[in-house]
Amino acid sequence: TQLLEQSPQFLSIQEGENLTVYCNSSSVFSSLQWYRQEPGEGPVLLVTVVTGGEVKKLKRLTFQFGDARKDSSLHITAAQPGDTGLYLCAGARDNAGNMLTFGGGTRLMVKP
Amino acid sequence: ETGVTQSPTHLIKTRGQQVTLRCSSQSGHNTVSWYQQALGQGPQFIFQYYREEENGRGNFPPRFSGLQFPNYSSELNVNALELDDSALYLCASSLPGGRSDTQYFGPGTRLTVL
Repeated sequence: TQLLEQSPQFLSIQEGENLTVYCNSSSVFSSLQWYRQEPGEGPVLLVTVVTGGEVKKLKRLTFQFGDARKDSSLHITAAQPGDTGLYLCAGARDNAGNMLTFGGGTRLMVKP
Repeated sequence: ETGVTQSPTHLIKTRGQQVTLRCSSQSGHNTVSWYQQALGQGPQFIFQYYREEENGRGNFPPRFSGLQFPNYSSELNVNALELDDSALYLCASSLPGGRSDTQYFGPGTRLTVL
């Protein structure tokens, strides 16, 4: 049973469209991380959010941590084909953030 | 500064066999975590090693075991392989000390059990 539920599981959109990926849990996490994984590679960290209500921006990507630290969202503006990949959220239960619980992932395809 | 490396890249085994996967952590990182990622799923935490001691374990049976060496490299051993053990095995290294420690993942070892 995944403690972190990601939605949608799959998303296929046209270049230039906006999208939002959700990561939800009934558990509280001390921090939540978003990763992007490409085929044949390990996940690469995009951002870490630690404070309830926190919003972080990374170019066209906006990450938000829920006020109760149980959920998070990733919003991509004007998606590009280079954004194609598997997006994973992962929660940490201890302050060290070393033991991660991952969601099932959202596979994004951006068509030119 | 070298990143996390894993070997081998790919491996094919048959049911009942044993396998050893290797991971070299990023320079200076003393913590290594292992994850299993089945096809189409997110990674699942197997265990973590910190300064050569197991520092936490996920919901995996005892036939999954590990080691960490003085140079902080690590091994994952799986005995009595089952078909469901087919997956991408990822290791990640980190240097604990902060509230949100960054884990650096290797490219993984793709294990196929026939």
